[in-house]
Amino acid sequence: SQTIHQWPATLVQPVGSPLSLECTVEGTSNPNLYWYRQAAGRGLQLLFYSVGIGQISSEVPQNLSASRPQDRQFILSSKKLLLSDSGFYLCAWSKIAPQLYNEQFFGPGTRLTVL
Amino acid sequence: GESVGLHLPTLSVQEGDNSIINCAYSNSASDYFIWYKQESGKGPQFIIDIRSNMDKRQGQRVTVLLNKTVKHLSLQIAATQPGDSAVYFCAENSGGSNYKLTFGKGTLLTVNP
Repeated sequence: SQTIHQWPATLVQPVGSPLSLECTVEGTSNPNLYWYRQAAGRGLQLLFYSVGIGQISSEVPQNLSASRPQDRQFILSSKKLLLSDSGFYLCAWSKIAPQLYNEQFFGPGTRLTVL
Repeated sequence: GESVGLHLPTLSVQEGDNSIINCAYSNSASDYFIWYKQESGKGPQFIIDIRSNMDKRQGQRVTVLLNKTVKHLSLQIAATQPGDSAVYFCAENSGGSNYKLTFGKGTLLTVNP
């Protein structure tokens, strides 16, 4: 069976500090990978998605970047955190084509607080 | 832009009653829909999905209905239990891409014992 891991689970960082959140998937190969941010009491905003190693698509201009150094590893980074970067960060994966309709499976999330 | 939205932000029901959570979508090209359940502090959990060539799909205690004429999606939960208390999101595959989902704002379901 497939599992998705995220760490750390919670993080408190000062403004201006760097960030690195990690996501790994087990039990599948060549998945699509996604990073979402969820503000308190709000829906999910897609930040980045990746269809392969080194292939990153950004959905919104922001202070964050993403990388996929390995097939099942997805990293979310920032050089200098802003207060507005606080939120609940979720990683997700889905199967790739030829299936046309693919649900996304989410990790447990990372709660980031920037002070 | 086009988006997925919800009619009711909160819903409170008695244990044992049936629950209906609604979702409206505006992108007529959307061809795949998913309902997710998110408990406090956790990631969303897949509940059920439906393709646009169907108008009803049933799972265990859950039914999803799709009305393409009025662009409306609903999730019915039978015999609601306290463990069903969570935020429920609808999501759409916004036509033309099998990679991305657009999520609605969510409905908070509270089940009273």
